[in-house]
Amino acid sequence: EAQVTQNPRYLITVTGKKLTVTCSQNMNHEYMSWYRQDPGLGLRQIYYSMNVEVTDKGDVPEGYKVSRKEKRNFPLILESPSPNQTSLYFCASSSRVGGISGANVLTFGAGSRLTVL
Amino acid sequence: GENVEQHPSTLSVQEGDSAVIKCTYSDSASNYFPWYKQELGKRPQLIIDIRSNVGEKKDQRIAVTLNKTAKHFSLHITETQPEDSAVYFCAASPLGRTGTASKLTFGTGTRLQVTL
Repeated sequence: EAQVTQNPRYLITVTGKKLTVTCSQNMNHEYMSWYRQDPGLGLRQIYYSMNVEVTDKGDVPEGYKVSRKEKRNFPLILESPSPNQTSLYFCASSSRVGGISGANVLTFGAGSRLTVL
Repeated sequence: GENVEQHPSTLSVQEGDSAVIKCTYSDSASNYFPWYKQELGKRPQLIIDIRSNVGEKKDQRIAVTLNKTAKHFSLHITETQPEDSAVYFCAASPLGRTGTASKLTFGTGTRLQVTL
């Protein structure tokens, strides 16, 4: 089954304790992206990756890091989490090949709800 | 950067009526406009998208219209059903030279409630 898998789904942590949210897709998609969803603010892009070893900042990258060492994986790293990073996080992927049906259609993971105390 | 505004934030309609959600965008370089539906507790899923070389697109009860001059686009749902109840997000992005929508900016969402 084609899917994007995020882990953990739920996490409560404390300020300053480094954490990583993993994201893996099995569709051979080139493009992957991280979003955070907060009430009243919609989905905001944190980082995205066009392909292996190619990453770029989205609209709200402060406090986050990413890496794309393999095509299927795109982990989100919070080096020193703070309470304002309490949010629902979504990883998504899509085919980036222009002109093919389904290109740019984001497949989202199930979401990771993070609470930073 | 791109700024997408979405209205209304909540919308309540009776079953069978039509629902319209409107979005405006700021970056004239944007030329790809998808709409995502998020049911309660679920992940967003694409319901329809449109590119700027097209003014309108339909898929059964759902249609999207685009006015590039005015920089606004709208989602129209006809004959609404209870299962249409969800949060709807519009989004906008330029398409790069390879056709990739790399920087998708979302609106703040519209919570649609279809009542019996």
